[in-house]
Amino acid sequence: QLQLQESGPGLVKPSETLSLTCTVSGGSISSSSYYWGWIRQPPGKGLEWIGSIYYSGSTYYNPSLKSRVTISVDTSKNQFSLKLSSVTAADTAVYYCARVVVVPAATDYWGQGTLVTVSS
Amino acid sequence: DIQMTQSPSSVSASVGDRVTITCRASQGISSWLAWYQQKPGKAPKLLIYAASSLQSGVPSRFSGSGSGTDFTLTISSLQPEDFATYYCQQANSFPLFTFGPGTKVDIK
Repeated sequence: QLQLQESGPGLVKPSETLSLTCTVSGGSISSSSYYWGWIRQPPGKGLEWIGSIYYSGSTYYNPSLKSRVTISVDTSKNQFSLKLSSVTAADTAVYYCARVVVVPAATDYWGQGTLVTVSS
Repeated sequence: DIQMTQSPSSVSASVGDRVTITCRASQGISSWLAWYQQKPGKAPKLLIYAASSLQSGVPSRFSGSGSGTDFTLTISSLQPEDFATYYCQQANSFPLFTFGPGTKVDIK
C-alpha cells in the first residue's frame, strides 16, 4: 500500500523559507506513470495546487506562487521536497503531498497533511 | 488560467436524499475533471476521474457526468458517511490543476 508522509517544521517566521519533505513508501517515486504534487489548504478554506514534479526533475508551478516556490526530487531517498520563500501569514495552511496518475490525470494518493503556521 | 466554480456552496440534506453538485469551468476542459470528498481533518479522497469514471472502492451511489464546461456529481441516496465537502478539480492543464471552491453537504 502506497503511503506518503509530510515532514518539516510546523512553525516558520515571516520572511523566512518554509521547507517540507514528502517521503514515499510502498512504491517507487521513479515510475513513469506518476507525477508528484504539493497542495495546500488554509484553515477553513479550499484547496490550492502549488506545483508538480516528475521523477526526472521536471517541475511545474502555480503561476501565482512561481516566484517563491521550488520543488525538488531525490529518487535515491524516494522523497520530494517543497521550499516556499518569503512566507507571510497568508501562507499558513495544511500542506499535503500527493501522487498524480498520468492517466487519467487524477490525484489518487495523499499524505495526511501537515499544518504549517507562519508567525513570529 | 482556467477557473472553476461550484454550486451550491452548501446543501442541507437528509439520509436517503438525492444530492447533485454542479461544477463549471471557465473554458472547455473536455472530460478532464475529477471529484474529491474531504472530511474534517482528513486529506481529500478521489471519487471520480475523467468526469464519469468511478475510482476503485468508491460506492456506486456516487456518479459523475458532463464534458466541456459543465459537470455534475450525483449522490443517489445520501448515507451518513457522505456528509463532507466535495471539490471538483480540472486536469486540462495537467500536470497543474485547479480546484473548485467546494460544496459542503451537511445534515438537514
